[in-house]
Amino acid sequence: DAGVIQSPRHEVTEMGQEVTLRCKPISGHDYLFWYRQTMMRGLELLIYFNNNVPIDDSGMPEDRFSAKMPNASFSTLKIQPSEPRDSAVYFCASSRRSQETQYFGPGTRLLVL
Amino acid sequence: DQQVKQNSPSLSVQEGRISILNCDYTNSMFDYFLWYKKYPAEGPTFLISISSIKDKNEDGRFTVFLNKSAKHLSLHIVPSQPGDSAVYFCAAILGGSEKLVFGKGTKLTVNP
Repeated sequence: DAGVIQSPRHEVTEMGQEVTLRCKPISGHDYLFWYRQTMMRGLELLIYFNNNVPIDDSGMPEDRFSAKMPNASFSTLKIQPSEPRDSAVYFCASSRRSQETQYFGPGTRLLVL
Repeated sequence: DQQVKQNSPSLSVQEGRISILNCDYTNSMFDYFLWYKKYPAEGPTFLISISSIKDKNEDGRFTVFLNKSAKHLSLHIVPSQPGDSAVYFCAAILGGSEKLVFGKGTKLTVNP
């Protein structure tokens, strides 16, 4: 299996621009998670989906952040408008079933200037 | 308010010796604990886990110990190898939840 795939791997953008991060989970995995890693806060869960339905978005920092999962093989995390404090590494992870091991993608390193 | 704490940002050990990475937690409702390992420019990868009903779990060179009364767990790596050099994250999960709560990580360096 190819593992969790994220794109782009690196993104540099200017403040105010829209940013879209993409994730393809492992085939057959029912759960998809979006995490953000910063120096200050470490790794924190933003939102997760079960069978394409958002279950818990309490970690999404602001309304500028939104996530969708239109089908079982694709999810997006969108930031609009982006701000310099959004600079971080964003990870997507998936798991096969409830409370099973989460497998992480390589991450997207975002820099907002 | 950090519920999972790794108080040592870094640790350096000699190849062949034991590495001990520590983790403390504050929420007594956590019922499952995990260790993830992360190399630069890669995502975290699962290493080993332990249920709150156990006090020890072993997998090859890796052993995790859980002390519930102290709300403390540790990861032992014996013998340490240069390839073990990475950032190690402790994580915890509440019963019935899917949400992993991570510590900030400890960077382990194993010197040849």
